[in-house]
Amino acid sequence: EAAVTQSPRSKVAVTGGKVTLSCHQTNNHDYMYWYRQDTGHGLRLIHYSYVADSTEKGDIPDGYKASRPSQENFSLILELASLSQTAVYFCASSSGTGGPLYAEQFFGPGTRLTVL
Amino acid sequence: GDSVTQTEGLVTLTKGLPVMLNCTYQTTYSPFLFWYVQHLNEAPKLLLKSSTDNKRTEHQGFYATLHKSSSSFHLQKSSVQLSDSALYFCASMPNYNVLYFGSGTKLTVEP
Repeated sequence: EAAVTQSPRSKVAVTGGKVTLSCHQTNNHDYMYWYRQDTGHGLRLIHYSYVADSTEKGDIPDGYKASRPSQENFSLILELASLSQTAVYFCASSSGTGGPLYAEQFFGPGTRLTVL
Repeated sequence: GDSVTQTEGLVTLTKGLPVMLNCTYQTTYSPFLFWYVQHLNEAPKLLLKSSTDNKRTEHQGFYATLHKSSSSFHLQKSSVQLSDSALYFCASMPNYNVLYFGSGTKLTVEP
């Protein structure tokens, strides 16, 4: 079974503060993703990466940065947290090989971020 | 652009009844469609996937058929159980390895 872990599992941050969410995978997967989940919006892609030291913008990258220092680790950084960034954040990984139907994404348990 | 539409935000059913959750998509590429399920306080997990037109795919009692003519990939089950209560997401993969999710349907099954 694929293993994706996230830390912290929950966090309360102050408006204007810096927040770093971390993700670690032990699947030897090339692709990693960050999503946010809001009620009524499903899962929206923020950033993703297919190789260490490189990141790509997803659908809603504004206000977020990402960092992929190694194949196993992928961080999401909120330099200036805002109230609108209160959400649940999910990290995921996929192998990136075998074609689209084999590109199953394995999700971490999520981080609940509250910005006050 | 590419998108996925799930029309029902909330579906409530009595145990034992059939269910169909709607999913339609728009894509300029060859469609790859997925259903993910998320139980309360858990991570989303893959339930079904397909790219073959008019072929039914099944898993854990759920089934779906990709219909390219109507751009649909509806999720069905003949008899829902209490344990099926969850959030269900339809997703498409227009670009290799990037998923686009619908807004989700919350299924609540009552005794």
